[in-house]
Amino acid sequence: QSVLTQPPSVSGAPGQRVTISCTGSSSNIGAGYDVHWYQHLPGTAPKLLIYGNTNRPSGVPDRFSGSKSGTSASLAITGLQAEDEADYYCQSYDSSLGGSVFGGGTKLTVL
Amino acid sequence: QLQLQESGPGLVKPSETLSLTCTVSGGSISSSNYYWGWIRQPPGKGLEWIGSLFYSGSTYYKQSLKSRVTISVDTSKNQFSLKLSSVTAADTAVYYCARSVGVWGDYFDYWGQGTLVTVSS
Repeated sequence: QSVLTQPPSVSGAPGQRVTISCTGSSSNIGAGYDVHWYQHLPGTAPKLLIYGNTNRPSGVPDRFSGSKSGTSASLAITGLQAEDEADYYCQSYDSSLGGSVFGGGTKLTVL
Repeated sequence: QLQLQESGPGLVKPSETLSLTCTVSGGSISSSNYYWGWIRQPPGKGLEWIGSLFYSGSTYYKQSLKSRVTISVDTSKNQFSLKLSSVTAADTAVYYCARSVGVWGDYFDYWGQGTLVTVSS
């Protein structure tokens, strides 16, 4: 059971917009700690997509965007492409646990 | 370009100690701007932060693993290592090493490819 809750799967057709939610609590996201997002293809190194809630590292397309409100955060992907099919993870800090915590991951399927 | 590479045995017996090393290339592990961490992913499950360290030797561990984990650094070899003692099947996972800009929930910007460690007799 992950501290941060993500839907197990989402799907969308090419060109569509999808969002992935990350729900936490008052000891992590709700306490104001930053949320970061990663894209992960099995067998490869996870890739940082969004850091500090809304910031994109150099090289990440602006089709990817992050937001945060209250005890939740979201990753939005617009103009869905086949290459976006991957697992996505959110990460934050939990003051009760005293360390980084990750969501359980969401598998994105491009139909 | 910074690169991280995990290495170590792929099979560990129950009750023994899992030992992995992460070799950093393309940058110095002694940079005062970064921390170095271990994250794992059990089969079919999500990512789990294990712990992190600063090049000076300061370490930070996940509370539930603290009694079994040791992370250390060898700056002369630009490497850092993970030791996890008294392993069980629950420790079977892909283990990743990664760089972060801080230790308190900061993001990991560079990751290794990961190495699968299976705990089995």
